[in-house]
Amino acid sequence: QSALTQPASVSGSPGQSITISCTGTSSDVGGYNYVSWYQQHPGKAPKLMIYDVSNRPSGVSNRFSGSKSGNTASLTISGLQAEDEADYYCSSYTSSSTNVFGTGTKVTVL
Amino acid sequence: EVQLVESGGGVVRPGGSLRLSCAASGFTFDDYGMSWVRQAPGKGLEWVSGINWNGGSTGYADSVKGRFTISRDNAKNSLYLQMNSLRAEDTALYHCASNRGGSPWNAFDIWGQGTMVTVSS
Repeated sequence: QSALTQPASVSGSPGQSITISCTGTSSDVGGYNYVSWYQQHPGKAPKLMIYDVSNRPSGVSNRFSGSKSGNTASLTISGLQAEDEADYYCSSYTSSSTNVFGTGTKVTVL
Repeated sequence: EVQLVESGGGVVRPGGSLRLSCAASGFTFDDYGMSWVRQAPGKGLEWVSGINWNGGSTGYADSVKGRFTISRDNAKNSLYLQMNSLRAEDTALYHCASNRGGSPWNAFDIWGQGTMVTVSS
């Protein structure tokens, strides 16, 4: 149950687009469409942003989008805004009938 | 209002036990899988355990298998985590979360604010 691999940090200027990667294996990310993404502001509970690879829950801005290719999933934030500065985590179902989170990415808005 | 409220955290000595509870309100509890996710101070999220809508299927992270037991009481809209043989590395904020759908393998939709568990001598 090794954590999925994410970059430690990603930054961008307001209005720009950034992409966060989430790399796993064929036993998790690559094998199932149960990939989800979470946003966490300091001292707050995580918030679901994307589920089942590319679906947005009601109320989540369409500036957030998800995709997957092979063993790597990606979260793209377009039109970056100051309030997007937070930690982001991916998660996937695994072939061991468990869930696994990514290592987390800190997004900084310059 | 949809809400999950955890309780039962505290300070416990290594080898000790704690039972966490999570009270759900504002949604049909027995339609959804439920999970426990923890976060050590300054660290990332770690999935701990999950249970399906009727309690018939459960899963555990390798780090807690054999020591933790997840259960639910749909009549009381409550989720539990019995934690035995606690170790220093179990120190974390424990969140309960509801899953999208009846399985604990779906995304974590609603999150509680968490209850802190500290394992220290």
